Amino acid sequence: GDSVTQTEGQVTVSESKSLIINCTYSATSIGYPNLFWYVRYPGEGLQLLLKVITAGQKGSSRGFEATYNKEATSFHLQKASVQESDSAVYYCALSRSNYNVLYFGSGTKLTVEP
Amino acid sequence: EAAVTQSPRNKVTVTGGNVTLSCRQTNSHNYMYWYRQDTGHGLRLIHYSYGAGNLQIGDVPDGYKATRTTQEDFFLLLELASPSQTSLYFCASSETTNTEVFFGKGTRLTVV
Repeated sequence: GDSVTQTEGQVTVSESKSLIINCTYSATSIGYPNLFWYVRYPGEGLQLLLKVITAGQKGSSRGFEATYNKEATSFHLQKASVQESDSAVYYCALSRSNYNVLYFGSGTKLTVEP
Repeated sequence: EAAVTQSPRNKVTVTGGNVTLSCRQTNSHNYMYWYRQDTGHGLRLIHYSYGAGNLQIGDVPDGYKATRTTQEDFFLLLELASPSQTSLYFCASSETTNTEVFFGKGTRLTVV
């Protein structure tokens, strides 16, 4: 079945530095899945950060960007300059149209140091 | 914004105990989901439903039952809790396919 891989369990970045969180996916079904980044702040539920449903396109939100690369089967999350308030757990996910079921990576905990 | 409320937020039970986790969404969404999240794993789908009285089996259903009593309410039942079910549980809802999925804040369940 479909799956998502995030290789970094934890990432620490200094404030104002750039960030990249890696995400690759494996889609065994026909067609291209929808791709998402969710974020979970301490004590909160997951929130949608951005999504891209068309291969080759880029999504952006709150200074974060991710490009749907179907050749590399990747959807890496990037930000040019992080802030302390970005400290959270970030999840890459994919879905098919069936019932909006999401398949998640294992999450990357981002800590931004002042 | 859609609201998904889970209760309780924290629960401790003994092995073999009976536990019910509750979830209510207030936007009349059609789809509701239960996920569990464990260290080193992403959220994994336990059960889901596309309407009152409907239940679909997810990827990790063993040891869990679920019931969708109304459009708003979706319950997860652990009838013989085991330590392997110690986890963080998330409920979620969405209106239909290709719409945003909204998550509750999670229920941390510990089985001792």
